[in-house]
Amino acid sequence: GQNIDQPTEMTATEGAIVQINCTYQTSGFNGLFWYQQHAGEAPTFLSYNVLDGLEEKGRFSSFLSRSKGYSYLLLKELQMKDSASYLCAVEGGTYKYIFGTGTRLKVLA
Amino acid sequence: DTEVTQTPKHLVMGMTNKKSLKCEQHMGHRAMYWYKQKAKKPPELMFVYSYEKLSINESVPSRFSPECPNSSLLNLHLHALQPEDSALYLCASSQVSGVLADTQYFGPGTRLTVL
Repeated sequence: GQNIDQPTEMTATEGAIVQINCTYQTSGFNGLFWYQQHAGEAPTFLSYNVLDGLEEKGRFSSFLSRSKGYSYLLLKELQMKDSASYLCAVEGGTYKYIFGTGTRLKVLA
Repeated sequence: DTEVTQTPKHLVMGMTNKKSLKCEQHMGHRAMYWYKQKAKKPPELMFVYSYEKLSINESVPSRFSPECPNSSLLNLHLHALQPEDSALYLCASSQVSGVLADTQYFGPGTRLTVL
């Protein structure tokens, strides 16, 4: 079957660092994506991993281990505007994203 | 420019109405997607068009009818919907690079309410 797991909710303090984990079991793997989604808005692309290792983009980094079926999104220097849902998605077949249930992050002042 | 536009932003319709959702992109992307998203749930894939041809239909009820008039436009025609079809409908587009995965870029969505 296809399964992607993320924690449902996380809370962190402004200025801190938070790591959101994603584990996956899919029949195919073409790449893993992270999206940010504010309530009622569209998902916004954050990062893409296809090879093992760390991808860094400003305050956001994403890590992938294909052998472990594991990824994480690291957010540094948290800001209030980072309060949102974070979606992990695996492209398991051509055009087919399999989304995790999403992690709702609350950033507290 | 990674913009996908959708109209209308909000739509309220009765169960006997016929309406259409529209999506447009000018990034030269040749794959376009419709997703349905309920509150606090991830997006669910409905349809995929590749090079203006329907590639994927995820067993969506026939009351939803997609159309791709050209490479920049995607429509979703709605007829005889049920209240449980109320959701955020997202359009997305991506390149078709033929090299592993392509990033999908999402529009702002249409918030649909079926009365």
